[in-house]
Amino acid sequence: SYVLTQPPSVSVAPGQTARITCGGNNIGSKSVHWYQQKPGQAPVLVVYDDSDRPSGIPERFSGSNSGNTATLTISRVEAGDEADYYCQVWDSSSDPVVFGGGTKLTVL
Amino acid sequence: QLQLQESGSGLVKPSQTLSLTCAVSGGSISSGGYSWSWIRQPPGKGLEWIGYIYHSGSTYYNPSLKSRVTISVDRSKNQFSLKLSSVTAADTAVYYCARARDGSEFDPWGQGTLVTVSS
Repeated sequence: SYVLTQPPSVSVAPGQTARITCGGNNIGSKSVHWYQQKPGQAPVLVVYDDSDRPSGIPERFSGSNSGNTATLTISRVEAGDEADYYCQVWDSSSDPVVFGGGTKLTVL
Repeated sequence: QLQLQESGSGLVKPSQTLSLTCAVSGGSISSGGYSWSWIRQPPGKGLEWIGYIYHSGSTYYNPSLKSRVTISVDRSKNQFSLKLSSVTAADTAVYYCARARDGSEFDPWGQGTLVTVSS
């Protein structure tokens, strides 16, 4: 089955840039979606189709995808960005829906 | 705007069947181009996709759960349901329902409902 690998944790100071990676075999050929989940809340879509933002999501959130790595970039990080972030793809060759293991973003 | 709301039993005994319903408001569950999913999250762990049902009624399940899962739709009530049989403590989780564009992102999600499997 297809596997998505995320670092368990990323730490960044306020105002700096956070980069959260999502690794997968030839992930660049798939569309990657990213979700933000704060404690006790449901996940919220922050980036879809590699780099598109839903309405209401700040421009500080951006995404890229190439080769074996997709990346969620959060610019000018704020305390309110502290959350778990999950990547997700659809893979027709195995389990249709695959989530990464999640990355906890800590704002120092 | 579209909203999803889960409901069902919060406590299920081992070996019994977990039953949840997701009520859809602000849009029709029969709209083409979308699928309707169940996703769960054990306490302190990551997200696990359970399965989905298409607007056509076709269903697709996570192979690891396929033998125990049934997802169905009630168009008259604009809702879809999950049944998970022979539950164990490992099925204790927050269960979410969500809509997806065909083969794409999940948006929106319900608020989630905690189901505990315990005698």
